[in-house]
Amino acid sequence: DTEVTQTPKHLVMGMTNKKSLKCEQHMGHRAMYWYKQKAKKPPELMFVYSYEKLSINESVPSRFSPECPNSSLLNLHLHALQPEDSALYLCASSQEDGSTYEQYFGPGTRLTVT
Amino acid sequence: AQKVTQAQTEISVVEKEDVTLDCVYETRDTTYYLFWYKQPPSGELVFLIRRNSFDEQNEISGRYSWNFQKSTSSFNFTITASQVVDSAVYFCALSEHNAGNNRKLIWGLGTSLAVNP
Repeated sequence: DTEVTQTPKHLVMGMTNKKSLKCEQHMGHRAMYWYKQKAKKPPELMFVYSYEKLSINESVPSRFSPECPNSSLLNLHLHALQPEDSALYLCASSQEDGSTYEQYFGPGTRLTVT
Repeated sequence: AQKVTQAQTEISVVEKEDVTLDCVYETRDTTYYLFWYKQPPSGELVFLIRRNSFDEQNEISGRYSWNFQKSTSSFNFTITASQVVDSAVYFCALSEHNAGNNRKLIWGLGTSLAVNP
């Protein structure tokens, strides 16, 4: 079952709020990813976790804080966001962290920062 | 430098037409992987195919087919007898085997396909 789930589907938050995005996969994958996607653009990689350890941080501002509690779960903690952070946030997983493997994406969380 | 070019920004066809989406890539690596993803209006990116640089066999999956040509650095995607459900943005992407810490998918800008009834 190639399924990655994300909650919530939509999120509206003010610039002073703290919220979290959640992602879960049950495919036994060892790599998980966060992407940000603006309208009419390809996804931009934010973070990669491999075997529950952060392996890539694409110089993302500290107001985004990832967390990988276990091999199936990935969170993205949001704090003091800016309106330009409004976007679709996509989670993905792959068998391993490496160029060989295709990534499977969740449905995304549409975030609006007011 | 690695790069993926999808020259067609938008394509509009009538149902049952065949349509080809172009993808041209640049890489210095001899081992690399090419991908196609579909993103319908709902937003979820759906994996369609992965092809490695040593396998130039064309692939067919139902109405979908892919033509990989290393000589022209192209990995084109054809939908035969298009249907309204094929309406989506299609992304071509590249990953390099020897990218090391820079390993990540290099995405094209996407082609928005509209299939009209």
